Amino acid sequence: GNSVTQMEGPVTLSEEAFLTINCTYTATGYPSLFWYVQYPGEGLQLLLKATKADDKGSNKGFEATYRKETTSFHLEKGSVQVSDSAVYFCALSTDSWGKLQFGAGTQVVVTP
Amino acid sequence: ETGVTQTPRHLVMGMTNKKSLKCEQHLGHNAMYWYKQSAKKPLELMFVYSLEERVENNSVPSRFSPECPNSSHLFLHLHTLQPEDSALYLCASSQGGTSDTQYFGPGTRLTVL
Repeated sequence: GNSVTQMEGPVTLSEEAFLTINCTYTATGYPSLFWYVQYPGEGLQLLLKATKADDKGSNKGFEATYRKETTSFHLEKGSVQVSDSAVYFCALSTDSWGKLQFGAGTQVVVTP
Repeated sequence: ETGVTQTPRHLVMGMTNKKSLKCEQHLGHNAMYWYKQSAKKPLELMFVYSLEERVENNSVPSRFSPECPNSSHLFLHLHTLQPEDSALYLCASSQGGTSDTQYFGPGTRLTVL
């Protein structure tokens, strides 16, 4: 079956530091890949996505590239802010109903 | 209102109570989803509805009963729950395709005593 593995947190960083969250997946077929973010007390919201190999998703300074050869979709941001403190979820979808398979989530804490 | 709304935001219930969670989407989407988010497990998909028909029941116990009366509304009826059912219940909607974005509501924080 499908699965998503992402690095465990919490990840604690200082403001303006570089952030990487690793995500690898196992899937049949050709999945679409997503990063969702959950701020405290809120539901999830899409951060970025990529639908085919070598696509790069980007939003709010975050980037992730769909790497089919390494089955990875690592999230990066060059300079984090305190407002980036949240839980980040990697996810994939392979079926026509759009069902999402999520990773466990990585909590990121950015300190001033 | 815009987006996906959920009510109530917080719910405390006893094991013998019956309650319902409500989700409403204002996005014109065709598919709606219930997820369970608990501290000890990753996000778990519970149910999927497409055009008001249930297309997925992810081995959820029968004490959880979904209802989708139309494409804008989704309910989760709860009865005789267990303390381990305490969690954040999230509703989402999308157009339903593999690459379509799901839009989530803020969730209902459920505590079962």
